Amino acid sequence: DAKTTQPPSMDCAEGRAANLPCNHSTISGNEYVYWYRQIHSQGPQYIIHGLKNNETNEMASLIITEDRKSSTLILPHATLRDTAVYYCIALSGGSYIPTFGRGTSLIVHP
Amino acid sequence: EADIYQTPRYLVIGTGKKITLECSQTMGHDKMYWYQQDPGMELHLIHYSYGVNSTEKGDLSSESTVSRIRTEHFPLTLESARPSHTSQYLCASRGQNNQPQHFGDGTRLSIL
Repeated sequence: DAKTTQPPSMDCAEGRAANLPCNHSTISGNEYVYWYRQIHSQGPQYIIHGLKNNETNEMASLIITEDRKSSTLILPHATLRDTAVYYCIALSGGSYIPTFGRGTSLIVHP
Repeated sequence: EADIYQTPRYLVIGTGKKITLECSQTMGHDKMYWYQQDPGMELHLIHYSYGVNSTEKGDLSSESTVSRIRTEHFPLTLESARPSHTSQYLCASRGQNNQPQHFGDGTRLSIL
């Protein structure tokens, strides 16, 4: 599975959009990009995933560049409850072993 | 929303005890995983399973063992707990194709 690179930390003002980048320059054609977040001591929570088209759900939007070498998770109106560690993972459907890196620690401030 | 359950949520126990951490999922997922995570640190895969009667060790060496006798159940056992086993243990499952993993709330284990 492709290695992903994320900034270690970011901050965002409450009510503003939070844009979290992820680099996956070695991603292969059958690998999806998944985003999860982990709030304090809870288990990671699935947010969204995509292959090459942009995706949107009730939690977030996922923008994948045309060459698929990077992506951005967008939280359109960040709240204090969005403070968490966000993980980006590139994984093929047939792969059994999702690997989590350090992720990005997002702090949403008032 | 996925249904995956871990018990106990918290466990404080003395050295030398045998411990079993339970993980169950009701989605019929064939793949299941155990991760270990220390506070503020990465998740490290310690065990995974492709399906019934299949278990594999993960990237991080662990003294724990697992079993997969039923699809929905993936317990983790420590035969003799030590303080070095103090950590959070997270269980996850994943369905077919490109479905995402779903995680339980974890077990916080403290060995005195």
